[in-house]
Amino acid sequence: SQQGEEDPQALSIQEGENATMNCSYKTSINNLQWYRQNSGRGLVHLILIRSNEREKHSGRLRVTLDTSKKSSSLLITASRAADTASYFCATMDSNYQLIWGAGTKLIIKP
Amino acid sequence: EAQVTQNPRYLITVTGKKLTVTCSQNMNHEYMSWYRQDPGLGLRQIYYSMNVEVTDKGDVPEGYKVSRKEKRNFPLILESPSPNQTSLYFCASSFLWDTEAFFGQGTRLTVV
Repeated sequence: SQQGEEDPQALSIQEGENATMNCSYKTSINNLQWYRQNSGRGLVHLILIRSNEREKHSGRLRVTLDTSKKSSSLLITASRAADTASYFCATMDSNYQLIWGAGTKLIIKP
Repeated sequence: EAQVTQNPRYLITVTGKKLTVTCSQNMNHEYMSWYRQDPGLGLRQIYYSMNVEVTDKGDVPEGYKVSRKEKRNFPLILESPSPNQTSLYFCASSFLWDTEAFFGQGTRLTVV
């Protein structure tokens, strides 16, 4: 089953602009995680936010979580060409499974 | 270097020929899992393991087997591969079930 759904499916912005991606999910969660994947390679963990947290920062990344709306957003500030990748949200539920969305493909134009 | 190692990276095989994809982690992680990634579908969990000798089905376990005899290894076995198992496979591990996951580089499997 696919729990998380990212929005938009694709995003193209100019270098230096901010990029915002959203994730919605369906059931109660223990935590929500964001990952980056470069062109069919392994996924890299970006940030984990627990269900009792509302916001978290890591460098140029800011993640928010609204459990009442079952949604999260990932903001990348001052984007760089190296940020070009696919971004996935994944939710961990009480069944010990990490359920993934289909991803947002982000393209940063120089 | 802390890592998850999958082998092989690429594999082309024929329908029905049993194969094993190995996965090993050197971080003493408790939780390990296997995913397949198909275009437009994101990642889907095949099997996961909370600890040695403890494995459970994920969302798409049909046609796959796993074992967890040692903490570091979590092989994925396809007893009789079929073309619909052509996919990109990832192994991942995490310290506990609710912590960040570390991924291998992936195994691109083609079944003809």
